[in-house]
Amino acid sequence: RKEVEQDPGPFNVPEGATVAFNCTYSNSASQSFFWYRQDCRKEPKLLMSVYSSGNEDGRFTAQLNRASQYISLLIRDSKLSDSATYLCVARSGSARQLTFGSGTQLTVLP
Amino acid sequence: GAGVSQSPRYKVAKRGQDVALRCDPISGHVSLFWYQQALGQGPEFLTYFQNEAQLDKSGLPSDRFFAERPEGSVSTLKIQRTQQEDSAVYLCASTPGLTTGEFFGPGTRLTVL
Repeated sequence: RKEVEQDPGPFNVPEGATVAFNCTYSNSASQSFFWYRQDCRKEPKLLMSVYSSGNEDGRFTAQLNRASQYISLLIRDSKLSDSATYLCVARSGSARQLTFGSGTQLTVLP
Repeated sequence: GAGVSQSPRYKVAKRGQDVALRCDPISGHVSLFWYQQALGQGPEFLTYFQNEAQLDKSGLPSDRFFAERPEGSVSTLKIQRTQQEDSAVYLCASTPGLTTGEFFGPGTRLTVL
């Protein structure tokens, strides 16, 4: 079982739709959480950090539920430019590296 | 420069050749990571440096993989006697601290024939 699990998708949604991605992590020692975005043949780029109190950045909202070990990302009013792979990421306190999920592919259709 | 840079961007090697991949982190970032990303998967951790010290190399898949960062800035990932299963994108990332996310370079796409 992977330490960070995501639905691989693909998610195909029309412009303007709201789409939600979910992710679970198995290492209860994980302390920091992030969503990264990766475009085709490009490097991952940090989208936002995730906190228990929730984190909103424009059309993007991320949420962490430590009790359920569950992370979510909500994208409102999706744009064509949101099409990418979204990677759920955890950093544990014992190891220093990031542990990535396999990514969820999103395509926003005109 | 403004971001993490890596070279070469693409490398084709014959099986059995040695390769060296370079990473220039963001200036002042003490933490540097190497990851390996296979097609359709998320990046997988290889090794971690804090300044010049290699604090974790648990992700290196075999003793053919070696990384160094002798002066605490530029890092080199070396793969000896490359095998076809080494074909992947090798990503370097740096961060000023471990509570923030990491900033990735564009990667080196290695193809072993």
